[in-house]
Amino acid sequence: EPEVTQTPSHQVTQMGQEVILRCVPISNHLYFYWYRQILGQKVEFLVSFYNNEISEKSEIFDDQFSVERPDGSNFTLKIRSTKLEDSAMYFCASNAQGIAYNEQFFGPGTRLTVL
Amino acid sequence: KQEVTQIPAALSVPEGENLVLNCSFTDSAIYNLQWFRQDPGKGLTSLLLIQSSQREQTSGRLNASLDKSSGRSTLYIAASQPGDSATYLCAVNANTDKLIFGTGTRLQVFP
Repeated sequence: EPEVTQTPSHQVTQMGQEVILRCVPISNHLYFYWYRQILGQKVEFLVSFYNNEISEKSEIFDDQFSVERPDGSNFTLKIRSTKLEDSAMYFCASNAQGIAYNEQFFGPGTRLTVL
Repeated sequence: KQEVTQIPAALSVPEGENLVLNCSFTDSAIYNLQWFRQDPGKGLTSLLLIQSSQREQTSGRLNASLDKSSGRSTLYIAASQPGDSATYLCAVNANTDKLIFGTGTRLQVFP
């Protein structure tokens, strides 16, 4: 069964460093998302991406964050200068026809630890 | 602003019990509602998706209902098993390009 994959599973970085989190969505899906979950808190939406551009973003997704689909398979989240409060589990998700019609499929997550 | 609440926050039951998890949302103008399972330190596994026009969806021992007008959904788990132990999350899509999640119900089923 097709699944969303994410790498790395765990990333440790120093405050102020740049990190890139990688995701491979399900191959025929067109809509891509990043969410995050700070330990013990709710899963929060960060950004949605369709047709090579951001379709919606949350207040969390400030200028330190960017997303890219560099080729036909990968979808990346870049954090330019990490802060302690960026420590969280980051989930990538995708769906085929847009959120109003289809369920979202989530990857296993990348645990980001900022020291 | 859409808020999603889940009660109870935690539930511990003996194996074999039927149980109900509750999800409520403040804005009834939703496109759909999705139930997920999350194992500790793991990703989210989609269990059921209910469109706003539907009243319920079933998958195996799981049944999810939706009452959009009252802003409620329930997830019914029949004949619970220790393998059902996990956190269950509900999330709504309210006419935007994102899911809004509840805080989850942590379920433990003991033998």
